[in-house]
Amino acid sequence: DTEVTQTPKHLVMGMTNKKSLKCEQHMGHRAMYWYKQKAKKPPELMFVYSYEKLSINESVPSRFSPECPNSSLLNLHLHALQPEDSALYLCASSQVGLAGGLSTDTQYFGPGTRLTVL
Amino acid sequence: KNQVEQSPQSLIILEGKNCTLQCNYTVSPFSNLRWYKQDTGRGPVSLTIMTFSENTKSNGRYTATLDADTKQSSLHITASQLSDSASYICVVGRGSTLGRLYFGRGTQLTVWP
Repeated sequence: DTEVTQTPKHLVMGMTNKKSLKCEQHMGHRAMYWYKQKAKKPPELMFVYSYEKLSINESVPSRFSPECPNSSLLNLHLHALQPEDSALYLCASSQVGLAGGLSTDTQYFGPGTRLTVL
Repeated sequence: KNQVEQSPQSLIILEGKNCTLQCNYTVSPFSNLRWYKQDTGRGPVSLTIMTFSENTKSNGRYTATLDADTKQSSLHITASQLSDSASYICVVGRGSTLGRLYFGRGTQLTVWP
């Protein structure tokens, strides 16, 4: 199974709502990632988890709160978002490289959640 | 500054024709270079990944080349199909830091019948 699944596929929320995005993989990968992608732009890294611990936070606003409850699951909790946060949110997973470094193994991406903030 | 530049920005070709996409990077220290295909509104799908010691890698009709000296890569698509219409993204991994991938803006390829 080389699939990363994400739910929901689409999400529309108001600025006062609280919602969560979910990501799941069963490839035994111990590194998981959240990216944000605006239209016609490349993905921007938000968070990296390595062995269920947050290893990289790219100065993301606190209204985005990641969580890695186990090695197969990655959540992104959303609260008090702004309209400019509307984007495609991508989850990815990969092996962890030697000494915790960047693996040459493929980073597998999920299909994304299309988020619209009203 | 670590950057990945892709050209052309967009490309239209006829079905059955070949094409080549370019990627130049300044990411240092270099770890690996990846080409992804991304359909609109979908997650990227990996085509190839190459390390410093590899200068070519194929995946079906896709062939990627890497010149680590000039810091250039190309993706050659042969006998294009309508389903090849997508954005092709060059991604360069930096050093040994987990997660440090630098993305190009992509080349939007459209294949016409």
